[in-house]
Amino acid sequence: GESVGLHLPTLSVQEGDNSIINCAYSNSASDYFIWYKQESGKGPQFIIDIRSNMDKRQGQRVTVLLNKTVKHLSLQIAATQPGDSAVYFCAENRDDKIIFGKGTRLHILP
Amino acid sequence: DTEVTQTPKHLVMGMTNKKSLKCEQHMGHRAMYWYKQKAKKPPELMFVYSYEKLSINESVPSRFSPECPNSSLLNLHLHALQPEDSALYLCASSQDPAGETQYFGPGTRLLVL
Repeated sequence: GESVGLHLPTLSVQEGDNSIINCAYSNSASDYFIWYKQESGKGPQFIIDIRSNMDKRQGQRVTVLLNKTVKHLSLQIAATQPGDSAVYFCAENRDDKIIFGKGTRLHILP
Repeated sequence: DTEVTQTPKHLVMGMTNKKSLKCEQHMGHRAMYWYKQKAKKPPELMFVYSYEKLSINESVPSRFSPECPNSSLLNLHLHALQPEDSALYLCASSQDPAGETQYFGPGTRLLVL
């Protein structure tokens, strides 16, 4: 079936290093993708989005890359900080619904 | 202001109880959503309200009953729940019903005994 999923359930990164969180999707018709951050005890927080007519979009310390050829999405976080510790979900907007992937937990090592 | 508020933050109820979850946004958003999130799982869509009308029901059991009294408020009425309904219930809103850029509330953590 069609799904949005992540390659790794957990990722540990040294503080100050860059983090890369990956996501694969299978619905080639999807045209809008979102990354959410969910900290413990909180709701998902919008980080950045990208449309299928783009392959890269940058925000503050974050970059999303979209490779439609291999149906792959990634979130890059520059200079990872302790406050970046959270679960990160990629999601696609399909038929007016947001479909979430499984999530990756990002651990920051001191 | 990009805030979605939810009350209560925590709720414990028995299987025979009736309770309601409340959600509020004052961003002028025309679409509002209920999601259910189990531990270590992604949020799963339950209901979508578009312009105060129910537009999507993801085959949710009737023991969950949504209500949209006005464009700023969204309720979820709970009755005769089961222990497996224990979860984090998230409300979200978006500017338009296309669902783009949804803003989430902090959720209500529900425990059914």
